[in-house]
Amino acid sequence: QSALTQPASVSGSPGQSITISCTGTSSDVGGYSHVSWYQQHPGKAPKLMIYDVSNRPSGVSNRFSGSKSGNTASLTISGLQAEDAADYYCSSKTSSSTLGVFGTGTKVTVL
Amino acid sequence: EVQLLESGGGLAQPGGSLRLSCVASEFTFSNYAMNWVRQAPGKGLEWVSGISGDSGSTFYADSVKGRFTISRNNSKNTLYLQMNSLRAEDTAVYYCAKVLSHITLDSWGQGTLVTVSS
Repeated sequence: QSALTQPASVSGSPGQSITISCTGTSSDVGGYSHVSWYQQHPGKAPKLMIYDVSNRPSGVSNRFSGSKSGNTASLTISGLQAEDAADYYCSSKTSSSTLGVFGTGTKVTVL
Repeated sequence: EVQLLESGGGLAQPGGSLRLSCVASEFTFSNYAMNWVRQAPGKGLEWVSGISGDSGSTFYADSVKGRFTISRNNSKNTLYLQMNSLRAEDTAVYYCAKVLSHITLDSWGQGTLVTVSS
């Protein structure tokens, strides 16, 4: 199972909005509504930010939103803040494994 | 607040073994599937293994199948990962994670570092 494809890096200025894409196939992202997004700060454990494409866990800022179109899922961060600088990973259910598949990861830089 | 605390990492020789543990608290452990996910130094996340709440089903990534064994003791609120025939490419931080549903991991431990080197 190949990793889902994410851009290596995305950057934006404070207050701006950025979008991170996560591209898979009809066997994973396109075939299921089980896409999640995780935020990981250096040296820390990942934190769930979005699940089932667009649902936010309790406590996650509403500046984070998720969507999906075809085989590509997206995470949008609006009103970018310095604390949003981190690595972001998508994941999806896949037909080729009972375990899921992660994306390649995107480093978000706040300019 | 859910707490997951991993232990058991360290240095192992190629071909050696290690057993990781993950002690869970603040939720009904037996009601939830659990997963192990690893992250090699400077690399991305990789699913390793999963187990259902009643231990009836276990799952492994192809990269560890036949070498790693996942298990749990619900009376001790503890998840395990027995790692045998370790290889250099198994070097990573290993995280245990609680499964919310399907493949959604809603709580993660702090991780334990496994280094395989001679």
